[in-house]
Amino acid sequence: KAGVTQTPRYLIKTRGQQVTLSCSPISGHRSVSWYQQTPGQGLQFLFEYFSETQRNKGNFPGRFSGRQFSNSRSEMNVSTLELGDSALYLCASSLAGGSHQPQHFGDGTRLSIL
Amino acid sequence: DQQVKQNSPSLSVQEGRISILNCDYTNSMFDYFLWYKKYPAEGPTFLISISSIKDKNEDGRFTVFLNKSAKHLSLHIVPSQPGDSAVYFCAAGTSGNTGKLIFGQGTTLQVKP
Repeated sequence: KAGVTQTPRYLIKTRGQQVTLSCSPISGHRSVSWYQQTPGQGLQFLFEYFSETQRNKGNFPGRFSGRQFSNSRSEMNVSTLELGDSALYLCASSLAGGSHQPQHFGDGTRLSIL
Repeated sequence: DQQVKQNSPSLSVQEGRISILNCDYTNSMFDYFLWYKKYPAEGPTFLISISSIKDKNEDGRFTVFLNKSAKHLSLHIVPSQPGDSAVYFCAAGTSGNTGKLIFGQGTTLQVKP
């Protein structure tokens, strides 16, 4: 069974640009969550999508957005990139995002802002 | 305000001995707790979970203990193996806020041969 797939694995951008990251969940999983990992802040929740609807949102500015498609694949977009956006962006999927269902993570996209 | 805390950034144990990783939380609404292991350049891997209706859950060499009154959980690895060397994250969630996990800062475990 294929795991969570994130593309691209690495990305280099400059300040002011925008970026789109992609996540394909495990087959049958309908909930997709996104996290940002930085050395100083650990893993921080960005948002969760379920059935093409944003169901939860973390404390990130509006420059961070996402969407989910009918096949449960999800994309995350960051506009007007800042140096502080350099991080590992992780996507996780679960069956329905319900209680007591673990999230399974992809290997992440390493975003570097120059 | 950090709702999930792992106060030990690192832990070193000898192969074959017990590893105990600790985690504290402040939000009494959390009712589901998980442990993840992370190797460099890989995403976190789910290890074990526990719901608030239990105080212990075991899976092979891994056991998680939950003390709700102290808002504390711990992961025991027995016996520890060199391949267990990784960063361990505890995470917490609530039934009513599915899909959102709050993570601790992580503890780096080194198991020496």
